[in-house]
Amino acid sequence: DAKTTQPPSMDCAEGRAANLPCNHSTISGNEYVYWYRQIHSQGPQYIIHGLKNNETNEMASLIITEDRKSSTLILPHATLRDTAVYYCIVVTDSWGKLQFGAGTQVVVTP
Amino acid sequence: DAGVIQSPRHEVTEMGQEVTLRCKPISGHDYLFWYRQTMMRGLELLIYFNNNVPIDDSGMPEDRFSAKMPNASFSTLKIQPSEPRDSAVYFCASSSTDSYSNQPQHFGDGTRLSIL
Repeated sequence: DAKTTQPPSMDCAEGRAANLPCNHSTISGNEYVYWYRQIHSQGPQYIIHGLKNNETNEMASLIITEDRKSSTLILPHATLRDTAVYYCIVVTDSWGKLQFGAGTQVVVTP
Repeated sequence: DAGVIQSPRHEVTEMGQEVTLRCKPISGHDYLFWYRQTMMRGLELLIYFNNNVPIDDSGMPEDRFSAKMPNASFSTLKIQPSEPRDSAVYFCASSSTDSYSNQPQHFGDGTRLSIL
């Protein structure tokens, strides 16, 4: 599975958009990009995933570059409850094997 | 809509005792996963099941660890005998198959295990 690189931490002001980058330069054509987050003392929570096209759901938007070597998770209006560790994971297997890295610690401040 | 349910939420026991963690996956999901999270190693996959059958247990640390899935709605992870280094948060997750795309895993809130 392709590995990912994320910044260890970032801050975001409440109400502003949070843009979380992820590099996955060795990604293969059949590999998906998944985003999960883990709020303190809770289990990881699925956010969104995509293959080639940009995706949007009620939680976030996922922008994947044309060469698929990087992506950005966008939280359109960050709230204090979005403070969490965000994981970008590249998935190959049909059943979606997840290999969690260190992720990005996002802190949303008032 | 019930999510993945794990019990107990917290477990404190003495070294050498048997520990049993329980998981109820989301109804209709045919994959079940057990993970362990520690500060040193992060989140690690221990074992996963498909249709109640163990598929890959290469992440199970030692023979002291065992997992079963007697039916589609219940799984256990057992540690016998337990050791202090087994202290961690253990998560269970489930997902369903889809012939067109990967399906996300849904996680429980975990069991925080402390071995004294």
